[in-house]
Amino acid sequence: QQQVRQSSQSLTVWEGETAILNCSYENSAFDYFPWYQQFPGEGPALLIAIRSVSDKKEDGRFTIFFNKREKNLSLHIKDSQPGDSATYFCAASAYNQGKLIFGQGTKLSIKP
Amino acid sequence: DAGVTQTPRHEVAEKGQTIILKCEPVSGHNDLFWYRQTKIQGLELLSYFRSKSLMEDGGAFKDRFKAEMLNSSFSTLKIQPTEPKDSAVYLCASSLGGSSYEQYFGPGTRLTVL
Repeated sequence: QQQVRQSSQSLTVWEGETAILNCSYENSAFDYFPWYQQFPGEGPALLIAIRSVSDKKEDGRFTIFFNKREKNLSLHIKDSQPGDSATYFCAASAYNQGKLIFGQGTKLSIKP
Repeated sequence: DAGVTQTPRHEVAEKGQTIILKCEPVSGHNDLFWYRQTKIQGLELLSYFRSKSLMEDGGAFKDRFKAEMLNSSFSTLKIQPTEPKDSAVYLCASSLGGSSYEQYFGPGTRLTVL
């Protein structure tokens, strides 16, 4: 049973467009939702995170939109650059649980 | 500050061998995680330590996989005996713990079992 689900295995957008990556979850106890970015040959790195008390978190070109009622969230990457081509993982954790539950990842390709 | 260090970066083993992967977490971090990453299964949690105590041992991975924290700055993952299906990237991550959930990942060890 996949507790955290990412709707697309892969996504391709043109340079300059907004890439939208979607994620949904099942456990209502989850209250922390990070997105990790992974380049080939490297480990994942934290990109941006949101807590369930917020519905939006912005950091430069990256924005998380969070819908607690629908149990879904999305990562928007504005003005996509070729350097944003990577695999993006949505993850979730419950309060004081410590561990993260990861989605399967979305491989994003930006076409110049 | 040094990040998470993993050695070796690549390992090739024959079926049935014992291999030991090593991890040094970020200094001062209390939580340590071992993951296996494959294209099909994604990121699977193998073990989770909090302040050197084993919190989770990954259920299905119990029989041939054993993670240990020898001290707060060093952990090993032993796979014994290895099987071809163990071919994957093994990632180590650490976090401060408590209310801080941010995990810092190492570069991983790519294991190939022939």
